[in-house]
Amino acid sequence: AQSVAQPEDQVNVAEGNPLTVKCTYSVSGNPYLFWYVQYPNRGLQFLLKYITGDNLVKGSYGFEAEFNKSQTSFHLKKPSALVSDSALYFCAVRGPSGNTPLVFGKGTRLSVIA
Amino acid sequence: DGGITQSPKYLFRKEGQNVTLSCEQNLNHDAMYWYRQDPGQGLRLIYYSQIVNDFQKGDIAEGYSVSREKKESFPLTVTSAQKNPTAFYLCASSDEGGRGRETQYFGPGTRLLVL
Repeated sequence: AQSVAQPEDQVNVAEGNPLTVKCTYSVSGNPYLFWYVQYPNRGLQFLLKYITGDNLVKGSYGFEAEFNKSQTSFHLKKPSALVSDSALYFCAVRGPSGNTPLVFGKGTRLSVIA
Repeated sequence: DGGITQSPKYLFRKEGQNVTLSCEQNLNHDAMYWYRQDPGQGLRLIYYSQIVNDFQKGDIAEGYSVSREKKESFPLTVTSAQKNPTAFYLCASSDEGGRGRETQYFGPGTRLLVL
Protein backbone atom coordinates (compact mmCIF):
# COMPACT_ATOMS: atom_id res chain seq x y z
CA ALA A 1 0.00 0.00 0.00
CA GLN A 2 1.12 3.52 -0.72
CA SER A 3 1.39 6.13 2.00
CA VAL A 4 2.73 9.59 2.61
CA ALA A 5 3.80 11.21 5.87
CA GLN A 6 4.13 14.91 6.50
CA PRO A 7 5.66 14.95 9.97
CA GLU A 8 4.99 18.62 10.72
CA ASP A 9 1.48 19.98 11.10
CA GLN A 10 2.80 23.56 11.15
CA VAL A 11 5.95 25.26 9.92
CA ASN A 12 6.77 28.85 10.80
CA VAL A 13 9.44 30.82 8.97
CA ALA A 14 10.45 34.46 8.76
CA GLU A 15 10.02 36.26 5.46
CA GLY A 16 13.20 36.11 3.41
CA ASN A 17 14.45 32.95 5.11
CA PRO A 18 14.62 29.58 3.36
CA LEU A 19 11.75 27.22 3.95
CA THR A 20 11.45 23.44 3.95
CA VAL A 21 8.28 21.37 4.17
CA LYS A 22 9.01 17.70 4.78
CA CYS A 23 7.50 14.64 3.12
CA THR A 24 8.36 10.97 3.30
CA TYR A 25 6.70 8.22 1.33
CA SER A 26 6.22 4.47 1.19
CA VAL A 27 5.54 2.71 -2.10
CA SER A 28 6.53 -0.49 -3.87
CA GLY A 29 8.78 0.32 -6.76
CA ASN A 30 9.63 3.74 -8.14
CA PRO A 31 7.29 6.47 -6.98
CA TYR A 32 5.61 9.36 -8.71
CA LEU A 33 5.59 12.27 -6.22
CA PHE A 34 3.60 15.49 -6.23
CA TRP A 35 3.30 18.72 -4.25
CA TYR A 36 0.15 20.84 -4.10
CA VAL A 37 -0.73 24.10 -2.33
CA GLN A 38 -4.13 25.12 -0.99
CA TYR A 39 -5.24 28.61 -0.05
CA PRO A 40 -8.26 29.08 2.26
CA ASN A 41 -11.53 27.81 0.84
CA ARG A 42 -9.93 26.98 -2.50
CA GLY A 43 -9.05 23.84 -4.40
CA LEU A 44 -5.56 22.41 -4.58
CA GLN A 45 -3.07 23.94 -6.99
CA PHE A 46 -0.34 21.80 -8.52
CA LEU A 47 3.22 22.95 -7.72
CA LEU A 48 5.55 20.28 -9.06
CA LYS A 49 6.12 16.58 -9.53
CA TYR A 50 8.89 14.02 -9.70
CA ILE A 51 8.58 11.31 -12.31
CA THR A 52 12.12 10.28 -13.18
CA GLY A 53 15.52 11.77 -13.90
CA ASP A 54 17.02 14.73 -12.06
CA ASN A 55 16.44 14.47 -8.32
CA LEU A 56 15.93 18.24 -8.00
CA VAL A 57 12.60 19.28 -9.43
CA LYS A 58 11.70 22.92 -10.03
CA GLY A 59 8.11 24.08 -9.96
CA SER A 60 5.83 27.06 -9.77
CA TYR A 61 6.35 30.23 -7.69
CA GLY A 62 10.04 29.50 -7.05
CA PHE A 63 9.44 26.21 -5.26
CA GLU A 64 11.60 23.16 -5.74
CA ALA A 65 11.73 19.68 -4.27
CA GLU A 66 14.48 17.15 -3.84
CA PHE A 67 13.84 13.46 -4.35
CA ASN A 68 15.97 11.24 -2.11
CA LYS A 69 15.45 7.57 -2.81
CA SER A 70 17.58 6.26 0.04
CA GLN A 71 15.69 8.34 2.59
CA THR A 72 12.34 7.94 0.77
CA SER A 73 11.83 11.68 1.03
CA PHE A 74 10.59 14.46 -1.21
CA HIS A 75 10.99 17.70 0.74
CA LEU A 76 9.63 20.95 -0.65
CA LYS A 77 11.97 23.95 -0.52
CA LYS A 78 12.18 27.61 -1.38
CA PRO A 79 15.29 29.77 -0.96
CA SER A 80 13.47 32.90 0.24
CA ALA A 81 9.97 32.73 1.73
CA LEU A 82 7.26 35.30 1.04
CA VAL A 83 4.29 36.15 3.24
CA SER A 84 2.10 35.14 0.29
CA ASP A 85 3.51 31.59 0.53
CA SER A 86 1.47 31.10 3.70
CA ALA A 87 -0.91 28.25 2.90
CA LEU A 88 -1.57 24.54 3.37
CA TYR A 89 0.81 22.22 1.50
CA PHE A 90 0.11 18.64 0.52
CA CYS A 91 2.50 15.93 -0.61
CA ALA A 92 1.07 13.03 -2.66
CA VAL A 93 2.34 9.76 -4.10
CA ARG A 94 1.35 7.23 -6.70
CA GLY A 95 3.03 3.90 -7.33
CA PRO A 96 4.56 2.84 -10.65
CA SER A 97 1.66 0.65 -11.70
CA GLY A 98 -0.33 3.71 -12.65
CA ASN A 99 -4.09 4.01 -13.02
CA THR A 100 -4.52 4.63 -9.31
CA PRO A 101 -5.55 7.82 -7.51
CA LEU A 102 -2.99 9.88 -5.68
CA VAL A 103 -2.55 9.22 -1.97
CA PHE A 104 -2.18 12.43 0.02
CA GLY A 105 -0.46 13.34 3.24
CA LYS A 106 -2.37 15.19 5.95
CA GLY A 107 -0.92 18.52 4.98
CA THR A 108 1.46 21.04 6.52
CA ARG A 109 0.40 24.58 7.29
CA LEU A 110 3.11 27.07 6.41
CA SER A 111 3.10 30.47 8.06
CA VAL A 112 5.54 33.08 6.80
CA ILE A 113 5.95 35.93 9.24
CA ALA A 114 6.87 39.41 8.09
CA ASP B 1 -8.65 25.60 -10.77
CA GLY B 2 -8.36 25.28 -14.52
CA GLY B 3 -11.18 23.71 -16.48
CA ILE B 4 -12.92 22.01 -13.57
CA THR B 5 -16.06 23.57 -12.12
CA GLN B 6 -17.88 22.55 -8.98
CA SER B 7 -21.28 23.74 -7.89
CA PRO B 8 -22.65 24.96 -5.66
CA LYS B 9 -19.89 26.64 -3.67
CA TYR B 10 -21.90 26.14 -0.46
CA LEU B 11 -24.58 23.53 0.14
CA PHE B 12 -26.85 23.02 3.11
CA ARG B 13 -28.34 19.66 3.92
CA LYS B 14 -31.24 18.89 6.19
CA GLU B 15 -31.48 15.70 8.21
CA GLY B 16 -32.53 12.74 6.07
CA GLN B 17 -32.00 14.59 2.81
CA ASN B 18 -29.93 13.47 -0.16
CA VAL B 19 -27.91 16.18 -1.88
CA THR B 20 -25.92 16.15 -5.10
CA LEU B 21 -22.65 17.96 -5.75
CA SER B 22 -21.82 18.78 -9.32
CA CYS B 23 -18.41 18.40 -10.98
CA GLU B 24 -17.78 19.24 -14.64
CA GLN B 25 -14.50 19.32 -16.57
CA ASN B 26 -13.69 20.55 -20.07
CA LEU B 27 -10.13 19.16 -20.11
CA ASN B 28 -11.09 15.98 -21.96
CA HIS B 29 -9.68 13.98 -19.06
CA ASP B 30 -10.53 10.31 -18.76
CA ALA B 31 -10.31 9.98 -14.99
CA MET B 32 -12.24 11.87 -12.32
CA TYR B 33 -12.10 11.73 -8.53
CA TRP B 34 -13.95 12.85 -5.43
CA TYR B 35 -12.12 13.64 -2.19
CA ARG B 36 -13.36 14.74 1.17
CA GLN B 37 -11.30 17.17 3.24
CA ASP B 38 -11.66 17.51 7.01
CA PRO B 39 -9.40 19.66 9.20
CA GLY B 40 -6.24 17.80 10.16
CA GLN B 41 -7.10 14.73 8.08
CA GLY B 42 -5.89 15.69 4.67
CA LEU B 43 -7.74 14.42 1.62
CA ARG B 44 -9.58 11.12 1.69
CA LEU B 45 -10.75 9.42 -1.49
CA ILE B 46 -14.50 8.78 -1.81
CA TYR B 47 -14.92 7.46 -5.38
CA TYR B 48 -13.05 7.57 -8.64
CA SER B 49 -13.79 6.81 -12.26
CA GLN B 50 -11.25 6.00 -14.92
CA ILE B 51 -13.68 5.72 -17.80
CA VAL B 52 -17.29 6.52 -18.62
CA ASN B 53 -19.87 4.15 -17.07
CA ASP B 54 -17.33 2.74 -14.62
CA PHE B 55 -16.28 3.80 -11.13
CA GLN B 56 -14.58 2.38 -8.04
CA LYS B 57 -15.00 2.92 -4.33
CA GLY B 58 -12.31 4.78 -2.47
CA ASP B 59 -11.44 4.64 1.20
CA ILE B 60 -14.62 6.26 2.54
CA ALA B 61 -17.40 5.42 0.04
CA GLU B 62 -20.07 4.53 2.58
CA GLY B 63 -22.97 6.98 2.48
CA TYR B 64 -22.01 8.33 -0.94
CA SER B 65 -22.94 7.45 -4.53
CA VAL B 66 -21.71 8.56 -7.94
CA SER B 67 -22.46 8.19 -11.63
CA ARG B 68 -20.35 8.66 -14.76
CA GLU B 69 -22.70 8.85 -17.72
CA LYS B 70 -20.65 11.46 -19.56
CA LYS B 71 -16.91 11.95 -19.79
CA GLU B 72 -17.09 15.54 -18.59
CA SER B 73 -19.38 15.00 -15.59
CA PHE B 74 -18.99 13.11 -12.30
CA PRO B 75 -21.72 14.07 -9.80
CA LEU B 76 -21.51 12.99 -6.16
CA THR B 77 -24.62 12.29 -4.09
CA VAL B 78 -24.36 12.51 -0.33
CA THR B 79 -27.09 10.25 0.96
CA SER B 80 -28.93 10.29 4.27
CA ALA B 81 -26.80 7.30 5.27
CA GLN B 82 -23.79 9.59 5.59
CA LYS B 83 -24.15 10.67 9.22
CA ASN B 84 -21.36 13.21 9.32
CA PRO B 85 -21.35 14.92 5.92
CA THR B 86 -20.04 18.33 6.99
CA ALA B 87 -16.79 18.77 5.06
CA PHE B 88 -15.11 20.38 2.07
CA TYR B 89 -15.55 18.26 -1.06
CA LEU B 90 -13.01 18.38 -3.85
CA CYS B 91 -13.34 17.02 -7.36
CA ALA B 92 -10.29 16.30 -9.50
CA SER B 93 -9.51 14.97 -12.95
CA SER B 94 -6.50 13.63 -14.81
CA ASP B 95 -5.58 12.36 -18.24
CA GLU B 96 -4.87 8.75 -17.40
CA GLY B 97 -2.69 7.10 -19.99
CA GLY B 98 -2.04 4.14 -17.72
CA ARG B 99 1.45 5.32 -16.90
CA GLY B 100 0.73 6.99 -13.57
CA ARG B 101 2.66 10.13 -14.39
CA GLU B 102 -0.31 12.37 -15.02
CA THR B 103 -1.13 15.27 -12.74
CA GLN B 104 -4.48 15.46 -11.01
CA TYR B 105 -6.10 18.89 -11.32
CA PHE B 106 -8.63 20.10 -8.79
CA GLY B 107 -11.82 22.11 -8.84
CA PRO B 108 -12.55 24.95 -6.40
CA GLY B 109 -14.51 22.75 -3.99
CA THR B 110 -17.97 22.63 -2.40
CA ARG B 111 -18.50 23.18 1.30
CA LEU B 112 -21.33 21.07 2.67
CA LEU B 113 -23.00 22.07 5.91
CA VAL B 114 -25.74 20.35 7.87
CA LEU B 115 -28.69 22.38 9.11
